[in-house]
Amino acid sequence: DTAVSQTPKYLVTQMGNDKSIKCEQNLGHDTMYWYKQDSKKFLKIMFSYNNKELIINETVPNRFSPKSPDKAHLNLHINSLELGDSAVYFCASSQGGTGEFFGPGTRLTVL
Amino acid sequence: AQSVTQLGSHVSVSEGALVLLRCNYSSSVPPYLFWYVQYPNQGLQLLLKYTSAATLVKGINGFEAEFKKSETSFHLTKPSAHMSDAAEYFCAVSDREDSSYKLIFGSGTRLLVRP
Repeated sequence: DTAVSQTPKYLVTQMGNDKSIKCEQNLGHDTMYWYKQDSKKFLKIMFSYNNKELIINETVPNRFSPKSPDKAHLNLHINSLELGDSAVYFCASSQGGTGEFFGPGTRLTVL
Repeated sequence: AQSVTQLGSHVSVSEGALVLLRCNYSSSVPPYLFWYVQYPNQGLQLLLKYTSAATLVKGINGFEAEFKKSETSFHLTKPSAHMSDAAEYFCAVSDREDSSYKLIFGSGTRLLVRP
């Protein structure tokens, strides 16, 4: 009965590879997000989708491409991974400004 | 543009002592305000939120926060710290006029609880 789930939890890969992170929410929320938490714990919004429509793209390199096949899913694909992409990526969902529910995070390590 | 400032990257208290974590925001209109807690290697859990009802907001685990418009503050308090409260705490703001409701986070405060 997990509210927001992400897979995988850990991802270790080489520079230059392409990888995807999947997110699903069963809360019936209309809006989903991707946030990035860097090594200093700083959290920053990357993307937001509302009912499958992209509404926020916060100057993220175009190597990052989100996809929302339906309003319960928001996946993140990353091309040509770089060392600086190493971080924890959190998926979240919300409904009408009531606060966001976060997934457990995906720790990406690029070697 | 909205912003959030959390004073003190680390706060250390003794078990049983008062916890006070400070948060100030910058916004042209009163925003929605949130406190989240993050335990090691876990996601963020919503502690409490202010969305324009009562200015004193009670949350989970005995925490509360008071919205003070005149001071643009939303400090988090707990009367008596437990060892289990040791975690990273994030204050966040959301623009009520932005339909995306995206969160702008502060830099976080690590709470250490001494036995």
